[in-house]
Amino acid sequence: DAGITQSPRHKVTETGTPVTLRCHQTENHRYMYWYRQDPGHGLRLIHYSYGVKDTDKGEVSDGYSVSRSKTEDFLLTLESATSSQTSVYFCAISDPVTGAETQYFGPGTRLLVL
Amino acid sequence: SQQGEEDPQALSIQEGENATMNCSYKTSINNLQWYRQNSGRGLVHLILIRSNEREKHSGRLRVTLDTSKKSSSLLITASRAADTASYFCATDLGNQGGKLIFGQGTELSVKP
Repeated sequence: DAGITQSPRHKVTETGTPVTLRCHQTENHRYMYWYRQDPGHGLRLIHYSYGVKDTDKGEVSDGYSVSRSKTEDFLLTLESATSSQTSVYFCAISDPVTGAETQYFGPGTRLLVL
Repeated sequence: SQQGEEDPQALSIQEGENATMNCSYKTSINNLQWYRQNSGRGLVHLILIRSNEREKHSGRLRVTLDTSKKSSSLLITASRAADTASYFCATDLGNQGGKLIFGQGTELSVKP
């Protein structure tokens, strides 16, 4: 696997609480992505980053925010978790500018919002 | 609706048989990629085919792309039980920051 880790790997939280998921890479790739995976929907892009402090929204960004203060870390925050945000969250990296057009995925974070 | 739609949603075959999965998409693409996901794991890239390519091989994998029909197929030859996984196609529209749009996947089960 490429050098991508996600933390935590599992989390149970209550509705209304803030949650932050972390993605850490050691590949020095410029682009980082957050997806959620739900049955019947495949993978859907939440937010992505194309450099430090440069982020943009994806297909399902409502209720989520992100931050990238350094190349290796990309944080996903649920400001006030809802049950509809129960999902498996995947981080991915790529660097199409340098030819790394494919995406490398982290192991995922299973989030349960009660 | 999804840019990439896959068919079939589920496929069950015996070891040694070939498995074919199809992907259709709606808009012009820069490239199309296939990924594999074992249960409970992250996705792993299998193969990338560019819009100006028609066929590509990698080991037991063969991918075709028909841009006139906006479709692609993934063929796994001589399947093994270890090929049991979900397979996703993903389209790169180009100039979109490397963003990919994933299909919903085909769940392949290979029985020994």
